[in-house]
Amino acid sequence: AQKITQTQPGMFVQEKEAVTLDCTYDTSDQSYGLFWYKQPSSGEMIFLIYQGSYDEQNATEGRYSLNFQKARKSANLVISASQLGDSAMYFCAMRDYSGSEKLVFGKGTKLTVNP
Amino acid sequence: GAGVSQTPSNKVTEKGKYVELRCDPISGHTALYWYRQSLGQGPEFLIYFQGTGAADDSGLPNDRFFAVRPEGSVSTLKIQRTERGDSAVYLCASSLSRDRGTEAFFGQGTRLTVV
Repeated sequence: AQKITQTQPGMFVQEKEAVTLDCTYDTSDQSYGLFWYKQPSSGEMIFLIYQGSYDEQNATEGRYSLNFQKARKSANLVISASQLGDSAMYFCAMRDYSGSEKLVFGKGTKLTVNP
Repeated sequence: GAGVSQTPSNKVTEKGKYVELRCDPISGHTALYWYRQSLGQGPEFLIYFQGTGAADDSGLPNDRFFAVRPEGSVSTLKIQRTERGDSAVYLCASSLSRDRGTEAFFGQGTRLTVV
């Protein structure tokens, strides 16, 4: 069964600094995808970045990058040059492509960016 | 509309009553997901549709919960004999296909309160 673990309930970062949000996953499948979503206090879920299990390079999307370490089964999100608007809940999620393809989420990390 | 639409946005019901929550996905999206999110938790998978059929309903907590998608677009989540523990935000998401990397787009959710 798939499982996502986010061990940091809360993180604090100073504006303009970089921050890493941890995510580890567990699956027996070889083909899967990893996603990060942001959920501001308004409640909407915003897609940030995707990494496929067969992708050789780490994904990047603007200030977001994904530090993918397949052997360690980790997919950490790195946010560079933090902004006040980055304060939100961040969820790591996983979809396997050989099973039901449901998207499974972790419990999330609350990020607070301080001015 | 351009995004996933969920109605109602808020629903207060009495314990024991029946409720229906509606999701209108992005036009053309074949995959549709229902999640339940309790306060401070990540989204918990309920059911996943591919087209009209439920590809995976393993997340439905018990037989009081049922979901349909009769024409492969709009979906309705039905909860019978509601209990106070059913109070949560119910999120719906849709995605274009099963292709790798295709992100799911989320609606704003329906906040269900059982009193």
